Amino acid sequence: GAGVSQSPSNKVTEKGKDVELRCDPISGHTALYWYRQSLGQGLEFLIYFQGNSAPDKSGLPSDRFSAERTGGSVSTLTIQRTQQEDSAVYLCASSLVSIHYEQYFGPGTRLTVT
Amino acid sequence: KNEVEQSPQNLTAQEGEFITINCSYSVGISALHWLQQHPGGGIVSLFMLSSGKKKHGRLIATINIQEKHSSLHITASHPRDSAVYICAVDSNTDKLIFGTGTRLQVFP
Repeated sequence: GAGVSQSPSNKVTEKGKDVELRCDPISGHTALYWYRQSLGQGLEFLIYFQGNSAPDKSGLPSDRFSAERTGGSVSTLTIQRTQQEDSAVYLCASSLVSIHYEQYFGPGTRLTVT
Repeated sequence: KNEVEQSPQNLTAQEGEFITINCSYSVGISALHWLQQHPGGGIVSLFMLSSGKKKHGRLIATINIQEKHSSLHITASHPRDSAVYICAVDSNTDKLIFGTGTRLQVFP
């Protein structure tokens, strides 16, 4: 079956613009995660959804970052007034029920803020 | 000090060599994950384990809960094993805590 998909695969934006990143999890997976990987750095947790609710938003770096999930499926990560330090690969993963299950990762969105 | 430490950071090997990557953690966990990230960026889950040992093909993962340590072994390494290997722990906080990764290069 289809894996986790993300769009766009690459996004170049000017500093100060808003961007929206999309994640389509594996069908039937109730848990969805957003991570960020800056150049040369490890993976950084951003936010976790269980169904449509986000029990843990502690990883969001600032109030410019927000995320939502609708219908227990698609999720969007929005970054407002982008800054150069937001440049990174944004990865989405989903798992069947919760973090205690294997996570399946999407290919990521490479965001470059100029 | 990071809650999840991996060693070595970088590793080079000749094809056919036996490889070991180590992961130590300082928090209580319910499970530990080993992930593989290829140069193109895609991440694949290799193992999720909470005790003992798991084997998949040429890959073996072990965990010692008492010592808070896990190892990933690759037998008969091959250039296609070249990737970044990431250890991550499930610390019962609804999020994974990641190590910084081990970059492996296997030369023919």
